[in-house]
Amino acid sequence: NAGVTQTPKFRVLKTGQSMTLLCAQDMNHEYMYWYRQDPGMGLRLIHYSVGEGTTAKGEVPDGYNVSRLKKQNFLLGLESAAPSQTSVYFCASRDERARYQETQYFGPGTRLLVL
Amino acid sequence: DAKTTQPPSMDCAEGRAANLPCNHSTISGNEYVYWYRQIHSQGPQYIIHGLKNNETNEMASLIITEDRKSSTLILPHATLRDTAVYYCIVRVLGDKIIFGKGTRLHILP
Repeated sequence: NAGVTQTPKFRVLKTGQSMTLLCAQDMNHEYMYWYRQDPGMGLRLIHYSVGEGTTAKGEVPDGYNVSRLKKQNFLLGLESAAPSQTSVYFCASRDERARYQETQYFGPGTRLLVL
Repeated sequence: DAKTTQPPSMDCAEGRAANLPCNHSTISGNEYVYWYRQIHSQGPQYIIHGLKNNETNEMASLIITEDRKSSTLILPHATLRDTAVYYCIVRVLGDKIIFGKGTRLHILP
């Protein structure tokens, strides 16, 4: 049981390049989330998903797209990377059935540098 | 809008109780108070949550005032490993979590 994993751990991009960040969870959770965290800041929600085939916008969705084709995977895409997207990206998942427990499990993060 | 106000940083001596305050004066009746923490370079970790009664688990205690406009997270015997940023969040069950800037807690040896 690996929990929440993220791929890659670190990436350097040039402005205008595209990439996809992969989040995978093996806990059969319905809800999945993508956050970004900038230095000295709290986490900001980019997009989230309440189940396979569904996605929704969070606080800062511009410049990102997501897909949830399989329940265990949540992909975050950058079509044309910009230096402002330099950040640490965290993925999280939560069991919808455990609403009163509310344990959101986070991945280890992906550090992205856009030059 | 994180809906909560926390001091940006606090110090606590190792072995003492760490009391982290949070103001949430606009909390509505169906919103819960949640606490998470983030140790350096790691993803956030859930600590505890409550509605109006005080709560305790193996990690911490949560004290919510009677008018629910503020709360305090208590780490009873702080250790160096409790050095982290602590986030207080209010939300309705099932709603997305919005993180603020949190309180950076320094545990002093």
